[in-house]
Amino acid sequence: GAGVSQSPRYKVAKRGQDVALRCDPISGHVSLFWYQQALGQGPEFLTYFQNEAQLDKSGLPSDRFFAERPEGSVSTLKIQRTQQEDSAVYLCASSPSLAGARGAYFGAGTRLSVL
Amino acid sequence: AQSVAQPEDQVNVAEGNPLTVKCTYSVSGNPYLFWYVQYPNRGLQFLLKYITGDNLVKGSYGFEAEFNKSQTSFHLKKPSALVSDSALYFCAVRAASSGTYKYIFGTGTRLKVLA
Repeated sequence: GAGVSQSPRYKVAKRGQDVALRCDPISGHVSLFWYQQALGQGPEFLTYFQNEAQLDKSGLPSDRFFAERPEGSVSTLKIQRTQQEDSAVYLCASSPSLAGARGAYFGAGTRLSVL
Repeated sequence: AQSVAQPEDQVNVAEGNPLTVKCTYSVSGNPYLFWYVQYPNRGLQFLLKYITGDNLVKGSYGFEAEFNKSQTSFHLKKPSALVSDSALYFCAVRAASSGTYKYIFGTGTRLKVLA
């Protein structure tokens, strides 16, 4: 596709449920990022992949959050035992550059609501 | 540590007037600087970037930004605002040095262009 695709667009989960959010980056992009955007806030970094290697996961808020990109393309962000504070928009971005000079292209996001 | 400050939560401007959205940053070494725009229920759209070279960079939709190293600023500007420019604007920084992957975002500035 032409851009970064995320699915589902909306997810409602009951507290304690596990969820999986999918990101299809732009073809050929080596870098992939996950961000969390709370209502009225800027995006907060969660994790970064270079191809299949997860090089930075310093932003993951707890061990309930797990991300993978096994073949260096599609990525999945998994949240186990969801809590209300996990409610946010989860943004995925990809970039063709390793050095970051070309910026990142963002998907439309997945809005997660935990009840 | 990298950081971005957008001191104004909201900027109001009359259609046809020039607009400025402010951004200051802190980063070790040289910065890569970006502006993104976000419309409701949409992902972040890239507007422009500063990597190196001319301090005045031009981007999409008639926007431009001026990099000022001494003031560590990267303010977004447009000579004549349109109502359709009303949106949420985010400034972001990434350190140019290797080993740093995160794009750090500001908290956003809501621009309202009044007809």
